[in-house]
Parts: sequence; structure tokens; C-alpha cells
Amino acid sequence: DQQVKQNSPSLSVQEGRISILNCDYTNSMFDYFLWYKKYPAEGPTFLISISSIKDKNEDGRFTVFLNKSAKHLSLHIVPSQPGDSAVYFCGSGTGGGADGLTFGKGTHLIIQP
Amino acid sequence: DAGVIQSPRHEVTEMGQEVTLRCKPISGHNSLFWYRQTMMRGLELLIYFNNNVPIDDSGMPEDRFSAKMPNASFSTLKIQPSEPRDSAVYFCASSRGGHSPLHFGNGTRLTVT
Repeated sequence: DQQVKQNSPSLSVQEGRISILNCDYTNSMFDYFLWYKKYPAEGPTFLISISSIKDKNEDGRFTVFLNKSAKHLSLHIVPSQPGDSAVYFCGSGTGGGADGLTFGKGTHLIIQP
Repeated sequence: DAGVIQSPRHEVTEMGQEVTLRCKPISGHNSLFWYRQTMMRGLELLIYFNNNVPIDDSGMPEDRFSAKMPNASFSTLKIQPSEPRDSAVYFCASSRGGHSPLHFGNGTRLTVT
């Protein structure tokens, strides 16, 4: 019973184009959503977050969109760069994330030169 | 800032042996989380502590798993006895709580033969 789903195990995008990573959740109590990026042999690192009172948050090349009615969020990376190649985890939580985050299985993003 | 420090980085042990994983959270962070990453289940929350007190251990898979946080700067995750299906990467993370993002260590790769 996965509460957070990332249905694309991998995604290949050409350098310079837009990368769109998707995430769906089932728990309507989730009020905080984050994206993490993970390189091999390292721990996940925080990328960007959004609370349930917003529908968009932007930080440089990264934008997260939240559609609460659809229980869906997405991460847009524009333009995609080779260093963006990594596994991206979507995480969701209650209490602002203080109770721990529930993560999806991750999407492996590959940026093609 | 040293970040979250985990030891050892790699652990190879035989089935039936006791395994102890260690974590030093970021100074000033009052929440600590233990996660396990596998291909099948992605990142799973095992247990988390607030102010050194275990809050939710519902993610701990079996009684063979136990975690302690004797003080604000140290936590252990113990598996006794270990089994091959425990093979995974175990991550420790800490945060200031609330809407603060989790900061992950680089993980311990456990292999049980």
C-alpha cells in the first residue's frame, strides 16, 4: 500500500530541454511535499519543497507544482543539465514533515548530451 | 557544518550475526530518522526520534530491529540476528523539525550473506 507513487522508474531527456518528474499521493492528510536528489553512493539531498497552501514554488531552474484535487505533484527542471542526472525522490509528510516523510521509489533521470 | 555522519559505510556480515549501525546527527537538530532503501520498496521510514525520544517505530520490520538515541548527538540501529533479506542501504537523517527539510547521511550499505 504505497502512499506516494512515482510511476516512472526512469526518464531520459536531452540536455537543454525540460525534465518533468511526476508524483502521486493517496493520503489527503499530507501537507508538505519535497523533492530530493540522490547521486550514487551518497545520501539524498534536499532540492525543493512546497506546502499544501501553495500550488507552485520556484527556485532557479527547479519548479514544483502541486495539484491537491488530483493529489499530484510534479518537478520541472528547465533547462536540463548533465549534472541533473540522478535519482529523484518525491517525499510527503504531515505536520510540516516533522513526523517523517513517506517517499516514492524514485525516478532515475538521465540527461543525454 | 559536518553534516549527518554514519558509520560504517559498508558492512558485510554473516546471517545470524549482530549488526550495529551508527549515526551522528547535525548539531542543533532535534529530530532524527532512520530509513532503509531497497530496490523493491524504495526509501522506507523505520523509526524517528524527537528530542531523543522514540516517537514512531511502526516502520521497524521485526523485533530483530531496535534503535536507541542515548543523547542528542548519537543514535544506533541494531539488527540481531541479521538475515539476508536485511541487505539494503540504511540512511540516517536529521532535521530541526517542523517544515525544515531532512538532511541525510551517506548511508551504510549492509550485506548479509
